[in-house]
Amino acid sequence: DAMVIQNPRYQVTQFGKPVTLSCSQTLNHNVMYWYQQKSSQAPKLLFHYYDKDFNNEADTPDNFQSRRPNTSFCFLDIRSPGLGDAAMYLCATSSPVTQETQYFGPGTRLLVL
Amino acid sequence: DAKTTQPNSMESNEEEPVHLPCNHSTISGTDYIHWYRQLPSQGPEYVIHGLTSNVNNRMASLAIAEDRKSSTLILHRATLRDAAVYYCILRGITISNFGNEKLTFGTGTRLTIIP
Repeated sequence: DAMVIQNPRYQVTQFGKPVTLSCSQTLNHNVMYWYQQKSSQAPKLLFHYYDKDFNNEADTPDNFQSRRPNTSFCFLDIRSPGLGDAAMYLCATSSPVTQETQYFGPGTRLLVL
Repeated sequence: DAKTTQPNSMESNEEEPVHLPCNHSTISGTDYIHWYRQLPSQGPEYVIHGLTSNVNNRMASLAIAEDRKSSTLILHRATLRDAAVYYCILRGITISNFGNEKLTFGTGTRLTIIP
């Protein structure tokens, strides 16, 4: 019954070591989003895909990249994680059919050592 | 997107109604009012949204002021499972961004339910 799936739920990486976070969806939605949520803060949008069209937020660091190989999957790549990148990373989906509602996954908590 | 203002925190007793306020004095005519909530250690969850008229669904009710400069999310009978951070978000939908909605979260209201 899961709709937006994020694996793993917890990820530990080392300072400077590339890491990839995964998101998949069973909703067949056109749009997939990645948000960053630091401790005690609100989620902040990093970028999103509308189908294969990539939309980067102006203040998203170059260290963050994304790939969407097909409708169901989207990946967040952090090329050289710093201590400040430790956060919860949330994936969400939406579709014009859902009338503006976004569906979020449970998130992946990233720890950088 | 226009800005919203919410109290940082609120408390309510279990099984009593909860009224969560949101001010959005700079709302424009095309802005929808959305509410999401985030339970501990989970992703945000859609609650309700509206434009001008009051709205009801199985989770909550949304009361929108006549001038649309404020709104109130109403949980009719709070349970311990309603303890969460509640976000009030304005979404302006235009032809150019339809289907590319993004949510700009404010600080939200942390709701504590007292047993």
